Amino acid sequence: EDQVTQSPEALRLQEGESSSLNCSYTVSGLRGLFWYRQDPGKGPEFLFTLYSAGEEKEKERLKATLTKKESFLHITAPKPEDSATYLCAVRDAGNMLTFGGGTRLMVKP
Amino acid sequence: ETGVTQTPRHLVMGMTNKKSLKCEQHLGHNAMYWYKQSAKKPLELMFVYSLEERVENNSVPSRFSPECPNSSHLFLHLHTLQPEDSALYLCASSQSRGASTEAFFGQGTRLTVV
Repeated sequence: EDQVTQSPEALRLQEGESSSLNCSYTVSGLRGLFWYRQDPGKGPEFLFTLYSAGEEKEKERLKATLTKKESFLHITAPKPEDSATYLCAVRDAGNMLTFGGGTRLMVKP
Repeated sequence: ETGVTQTPRHLVMGMTNKKSLKCEQHLGHNAMYWYKQSAKKPLELMFVYSLEERVENNSVPSRFSPECPNSSHLFLHLHTLQPEDSALYLCASSQSRGASTEAFFGQGTRLTVV
């Protein structure tokens, strides 16, 4: 059974304080790892797809990386508007999509 | 706006009521999904439709009944729900059910069962 574990559950940062969110996974044949951002009361918003170890993708202050066991979402000099819950999900060889519990990020001015 | 629209955004219903949630996607996708999101729990996949055929049913109670009349529309019919069914219900779509295709989500329906 696929498992996705995100840590920490919650993270408080000061504006400008860079940090990383972790997504550890076990999956039978990784066919893609996805990062989403979710604001309160809204649906998840797609950020990145990573397919293979060593791959990296960037968007504004966010950078996602992938190894064979985990993915990191690096946030550089975050702003209050980056506050949200960040979700990680993996798709396996059977095309099942499994989500982690998310990391709730709070960036204070 | 992700191209996936859900209505209503909020719904309060009694345990004896019957209601339906609606999802419409404008992206030309072939696969559609229903997810349940409860407080402090990961998203739970409920149903998957691919080319209007149900391909996944994750042991969901029969009080939830999906319907996919065409590749752009998905419904979730609700009847005799329980208070523990209160949650955010999310619809998503993807290009296909195949690998490496990201899913795009609607804004969700916040359901409260009283």
